[in-house]
Amino acid sequence: GAVVSQHPSRVICKSGTSVKIECRSLDFQATTMFWYRQFPKQSLMLMATSNEGSKATYEQGVEKDKFLINHASLTLSTLTVTSAHPEDSSFYICSANRGGETQYFGPGTRLLVL
Amino acid sequence: AQSVTQLGSHVSVSEGALVLLRCNYSSSVPPYLFWYVQYPNQGLQLLLKYTTGATLVKGINGFEAEFKKSETSFHLTKPSAHMSDAAEYFCAVRTPTDSWGKFQFGAGTQVVVTP
Repeated sequence: GAVVSQHPSRVICKSGTSVKIECRSLDFQATTMFWYRQFPKQSLMLMATSNEGSKATYEQGVEKDKFLINHASLTLSTLTVTSAHPEDSSFYICSANRGGETQYFGPGTRLLVL
Repeated sequence: AQSVTQLGSHVSVSEGALVLLRCNYSSSVPPYLFWYVQYPNQGLQLLLKYTTGATLVKGINGFEAEFKKSETSFHLTKPSAHMSDAAEYFCAVRTPTDSWGKFQFGAGTQVVVTP
Protein backbone atom coordinates (compact mmCIF):
# COMPACT_ATOMS: atom_id res chain seq x y z
CA GLY A 1 0.00 0.00 0.00
CA ALA A 2 0.85 3.72 -0.03
CA VAL A 3 1.44 4.17 -3.74
CA VAL A 4 1.81 7.66 -5.15
CA SER A 5 1.80 8.36 -8.87
CA GLN A 6 2.78 11.38 -10.91
CA HIS A 7 1.84 12.35 -14.40
CA PRO A 8 3.51 13.03 -16.70
CA SER A 9 6.87 11.43 -15.97
CA ARG A 10 8.58 13.69 -18.49
CA VAL A 11 7.47 16.85 -20.21
CA ILE A 12 9.13 19.20 -22.64
CA CYS A 13 7.55 22.57 -23.24
CA LYS A 14 8.31 25.88 -24.88
CA SER A 15 9.26 28.92 -22.88
CA GLY A 16 6.22 30.92 -21.88
CA THR A 17 3.79 28.05 -21.75
CA SER A 18 2.25 26.49 -18.66
CA VAL A 19 2.67 22.92 -17.54
CA LYS A 20 0.49 20.95 -15.13
CA ILE A 21 1.82 18.04 -13.10
CA GLU A 22 -0.55 15.69 -11.29
CA CYS A 23 0.14 13.83 -8.09
CA ARG A 24 -2.23 11.06 -7.00
CA SER A 25 -2.35 8.81 -3.98
CA LEU A 26 -3.62 5.59 -5.50
CA ASP A 27 -4.58 3.47 -2.52
CA PHE A 28 -5.05 5.90 0.32
CA GLN A 29 -6.45 9.29 1.14
CA ALA A 30 -3.73 11.83 1.69
CA THR A 31 -4.21 14.29 4.50
CA THR A 32 -1.31 16.35 3.26
CA MET A 33 0.68 16.48 0.05
CA PHE A 34 4.07 18.05 -0.51
CA TRP A 35 5.81 19.35 -3.60
CA TYR A 36 9.58 19.25 -3.93
CA ARG A 37 12.06 20.39 -6.50
CA GLN A 38 15.34 18.63 -7.02
CA PHE A 39 18.29 19.95 -8.99
CA PRO A 40 20.88 17.53 -10.39
CA LYS A 41 23.07 15.96 -7.74
CA GLN A 42 21.27 17.87 -5.00
CA SER A 43 18.81 17.19 -2.24
CA LEU A 44 15.10 17.81 -2.29
CA MET A 45 13.91 21.35 -1.75
CA LEU A 46 10.42 21.67 -0.30
CA MET A 47 8.34 24.07 -2.36
CA ALA A 48 4.95 23.89 -0.70
CA THR A 49 2.62 21.93 1.52
CA SER A 50 -0.99 21.44 0.55
CA ASN A 51 -4.10 20.17 2.25
CA GLU A 52 -7.32 19.25 0.53
CA GLY A 53 -9.68 22.15 0.17
CA SER A 54 -7.34 24.82 1.48
CA LYS A 55 -4.66 27.05 0.06
CA ALA A 56 -1.16 25.70 -0.16
CA THR A 57 1.53 26.92 2.19
CA TYR A 58 4.61 27.94 0.26
CA GLU A 59 8.17 27.91 1.50
CA GLN A 60 10.11 31.12 1.63
CA GLY A 61 11.40 32.13 -1.76
CA VAL A 62 8.90 30.09 -3.77
CA GLU A 63 6.70 32.22 -6.00
CA LYS A 64 3.04 31.45 -5.41
CA ASP A 65 1.95 32.88 -8.74
CA LYS A 66 4.60 30.95 -10.56
CA PHE A 67 3.91 27.57 -9.02
CA LEU A 68 0.17 27.14 -8.62
CA ILE A 69 -0.92 24.29 -6.41
CA ASN A 70 -4.44 22.93 -6.32
CA HIS A 71 -5.45 20.18 -3.93
CA ALA A 72 -8.92 19.38 -5.16
CA SER A 73 -9.46 16.06 -3.42
CA LEU A 74 -7.92 13.76 -0.85
CA THR A 75 -6.20 11.83 -3.63
CA LEU A 76 -5.15 14.51 -6.09
CA SER A 77 -2.89 17.52 -6.00
CA THR A 78 -1.68 19.44 -9.04
CA LEU A 79 1.28 21.72 -9.58
CA THR A 80 1.10 24.15 -12.48
CA VAL A 81 4.26 25.88 -13.57
CA THR A 82 3.00 29.04 -15.19
CA SER A 83 4.85 30.89 -17.94
CA ALA A 84 7.68 28.41 -17.72
CA HIS A 85 11.23 29.48 -18.43
CA PRO A 86 14.40 27.43 -18.92
CA GLU A 87 15.42 28.02 -15.31
CA ASP A 88 12.28 26.16 -14.23
CA SER A 89 13.67 23.00 -15.77
CA SER A 90 14.06 20.53 -12.95
CA PHE A 91 12.88 17.30 -11.40
CA TYR A 92 9.65 17.80 -9.48
CA ILE A 93 8.62 15.24 -6.88
CA CYS A 94 5.46 15.04 -4.85
CA SER A 95 4.83 13.14 -1.67
CA ALA A 96 1.77 12.32 0.38
CA ASN A 97 1.07 11.68 4.02
CA ARG A 98 -1.84 9.54 5.08
CA GLY A 99 -1.96 10.74 8.65
CA GLY A 100 1.03 8.90 10.02
CA GLU A 101 4.63 9.92 10.33
CA THR A 102 5.80 8.83 6.87
CA GLN A 103 5.79 10.59 3.54
CA TYR A 104 5.30 8.44 0.44
CA PHE A 105 6.91 9.76 -2.69
CA GLY A 106 5.86 9.80 -6.29
CA PRO A 107 8.24 8.79 -9.08
CA GLY A 108 8.93 12.38 -10.08
CA THR A 109 8.39 14.49 -13.18
CA ARG A 110 11.26 15.70 -15.32
CA LEU A 111 10.46 19.13 -16.78
CA LEU A 112 12.52 20.58 -19.59
CA VAL A 113 11.71 24.08 -20.78
CA LEU A 114 13.16 25.05 -24.12
CA ALA B 1 14.78 24.40 14.07
CA GLN B 2 16.00 21.06 12.83
CA SER B 3 18.79 20.11 10.49
CA VAL B 4 20.36 17.02 9.03
CA THR B 5 23.98 16.43 8.12
CA GLN B 6 25.11 13.55 5.99
CA LEU B 7 28.84 13.07 6.15
CA GLY B 8 30.27 12.21 2.78
CA SER B 9 28.56 13.12 -0.45
CA HIS B 10 30.06 10.07 -2.16
CA VAL B 11 30.85 6.64 -0.78
CA SER B 12 32.51 3.88 -2.76
CA VAL B 13 32.31 0.34 -1.47
CA SER B 14 33.33 -3.01 -2.84
CA GLU B 15 30.69 -5.61 -3.52
CA GLY B 16 30.32 -7.68 -0.37
CA ALA B 17 31.79 -5.02 1.90
CA LEU B 18 30.09 -3.14 4.70
CA VAL B 19 28.04 -0.12 3.75
CA LEU B 20 28.04 2.69 6.32
CA LEU B 21 26.27 5.98 5.67
CA ARG B 22 26.40 8.62 8.35
CA CYS B 23 23.61 10.91 9.42
CA ASN B 24 23.60 13.38 12.27
CA TYR B 25 20.69 15.57 13.19
CA SER B 26 19.88 18.60 15.23
CA SER B 27 16.46 18.90 16.78
CA SER B 28 14.96 20.60 19.80
CA VAL B 29 12.74 17.58 20.49
CA PRO B 30 13.23 13.87 19.88
CA PRO B 31 12.60 13.56 16.15
CA TYR B 32 11.31 10.98 13.78
CA LEU B 33 14.13 9.80 11.53
CA PHE B 34 14.04 8.27 8.08
CA TRP B 35 16.30 6.88 5.42
CA TYR B 36 15.19 6.95 1.80
CA VAL B 37 16.86 5.63 -1.34
CA GLN B 38 16.61 7.21 -4.78
CA TYR B 39 17.53 5.48 -8.01
CA PRO B 40 18.25 7.62 -11.08
CA ASN B 41 15.26 9.52 -12.38
CA GLN B 42 12.97 8.04 -9.77
CA GLY B 43 11.25 9.16 -6.62
CA LEU B 44 12.28 8.25 -3.10
CA GLN B 45 11.66 4.85 -1.57
CA LEU B 46 11.48 4.43 2.17
CA LEU B 47 14.21 2.16 3.53
CA LEU B 48 13.42 2.42 7.22
CA LYS B 49 12.29 4.78 9.93
CA TYR B 50 12.60 5.39 13.64
CA THR B 51 9.78 6.90 15.63
CA THR B 52 9.81 5.40 19.11
CA GLY B 53 10.77 2.18 20.83
CA ALA B 54 13.64 -0.04 19.79
CA THR B 55 16.57 2.07 18.67
CA LEU B 56 17.87 -0.47 16.16
CA VAL B 57 15.51 -0.55 13.23
CA LYS B 58 15.60 -2.92 10.32
CA GLY B 59 14.47 -1.96 6.88
CA ILE B 60 14.19 -3.33 3.41
CA ASN B 61 16.99 -4.77 1.31
CA GLY B 62 19.05 -5.76 4.36
CA PHE B 63 19.58 -2.23 5.65
CA GLU B 64 19.39 -1.24 9.28
CA ALA B 65 19.99 1.90 11.30
CA GLU B 66 20.51 2.71 14.94
CA PHE B 67 19.17 5.77 16.70
CA LYS B 68 21.72 7.09 19.17
CA LYS B 69 20.29 9.97 21.11
CA SER B 70 23.52 10.79 22.92
CA GLU B 71 25.32 11.12 19.61
CA THR B 72 22.35 12.62 17.74
CA SER B 73 23.01 10.11 15.01
CA PHE B 74 21.07 7.70 12.82
CA HIS B 75 23.67 5.92 10.73
CA LEU B 76 22.62 3.46 8.04
CA THR B 77 24.41 0.16 7.57
CA LYS B 78 24.29 -2.96 5.46
CA PRO B 79 26.67 -5.84 6.15
CA SER B 80 27.30 -6.80 2.54
CA ALA B 81 26.90 -4.46 -0.41
CA HIS B 82 25.25 -5.57 -3.62
CA MET B 83 25.60 -3.94 -7.00
CA SER B 84 21.93 -3.04 -6.80
CA ASP B 85 22.65 -0.84 -3.76
CA ALA B 86 24.23 1.78 -6.01
CA ALA B 87 21.95 4.78 -5.58
CA GLU B 88 21.51 8.07 -3.74
CA TYR B 89 20.58 7.84 -0.08
CA PHE B 90 18.85 10.56 1.90
CA CYS B 91 18.47 10.91 5.63
CA ALA B 92 15.45 12.92 6.78
CA VAL B 93 14.16 14.22 10.08
CA ARG B 94 10.70 15.25 11.13
CA THR B 95 9.61 16.92 14.32
CA PRO B 96 6.72 14.92 15.80
CA THR B 97 4.95 18.07 16.89
CA ASP B 98 4.98 19.59 13.40
CA SER B 99 1.35 19.41 12.37
CA TRP B 100 2.23 19.61 8.70
CA GLY B 101 4.61 16.68 8.91
CA LYS B 102 7.37 18.49 7.05
CA PHE B 103 10.66 16.74 6.48
CA GLN B 104 14.15 18.18 6.54
CA PHE B 105 16.43 16.26 4.20
CA GLY B 106 20.15 15.81 4.29
CA ALA B 107 22.22 16.61 1.23
CA GLY B 108 22.36 12.98 0.20
CA THR B 109 25.10 10.39 -0.20
CA GLN B 110 25.84 8.79 -3.54
CA VAL B 111 26.83 5.15 -3.14
CA VAL B 112 28.95 3.49 -5.77
CA VAL B 113 29.49 -0.26 -5.59
CA THR B 114 32.54 -1.68 -7.32
CA PRO B 115 32.92 -5.33 -8.35
